[in-house]
Amino acid sequence: AQKITQTQPGMFVQEKEAVTLDCTYDTSDPSYGLFWYKQPSSGEMIFLIYQGSYDQQNATEGRYSLNFQKARKSANLVISASQLGDSAMYFCAMREGLQGGSEKLVFGKGTKLTVNP
Amino acid sequence: EPEVTQTPSHQVTQMGQEVILRCVPISNHLYFYWYRQILGQKVEFLVSFYNNEISEKSEIFDDQFSVERPDGSNFTLKIRSTKLEDSAMYFCASTYRAVSYEQYFGPGTRLTVT
Repeated sequence: AQKITQTQPGMFVQEKEAVTLDCTYDTSDPSYGLFWYKQPSSGEMIFLIYQGSYDQQNATEGRYSLNFQKARKSANLVISASQLGDSAMYFCAMREGLQGGSEKLVFGKGTKLTVNP
Repeated sequence: EPEVTQTPSHQVTQMGQEVILRCVPISNHLYFYWYRQILGQKVEFLVSFYNNEISEKSEIFDDQFSVERPDGSNFTLKIRSTKLEDSAMYFCASTYRAVSYEQYFGPGTRLTVT
């Protein structure tokens, strides 16, 4: 079974509008972390935001926020006020066993976001 | 701001040749990782390295792969006998401690095996 599912291969949004990129995950571990990375066309992986499974509040970082719904096992990324520079691939990732477990990040297949002027 | 660096940015090699991909992690980081991304696919974990030994590896990381930290700054990935299917972007990442929020990724090395 897929650990991380991103169901939107591509998304389009108008500049200055908000967009939500979906991510669902599958784990039986009570201690895990969820990450979002941005990959522009140049190829590098840029960390955006992190949510721990025990965090009570949704994570926010500037224009990025994470809509964490633990019971539904979803961790959607919300980008507010989209900018042309937001056009990129976005990957959701998970790390299980935060307290001494696996260190590896497991990634989803990604969503390609295109911001239109 | 400190960053992970990788060299070369692009490597072309013939099938069967050995390649070494180099990474310089952030200087005070202790945990190091290699990931790969085949074109158009998701990023996949290869190996993690701590205290001069492999702490975890994936099924992809077979006997053809090895990692080394030859000195205090470099972290290398060696592929002994490259195959066509090894063509991918290889990312190095590092973090200060295993439970740190994020792994800092380098810009990647695009490996093309012909």
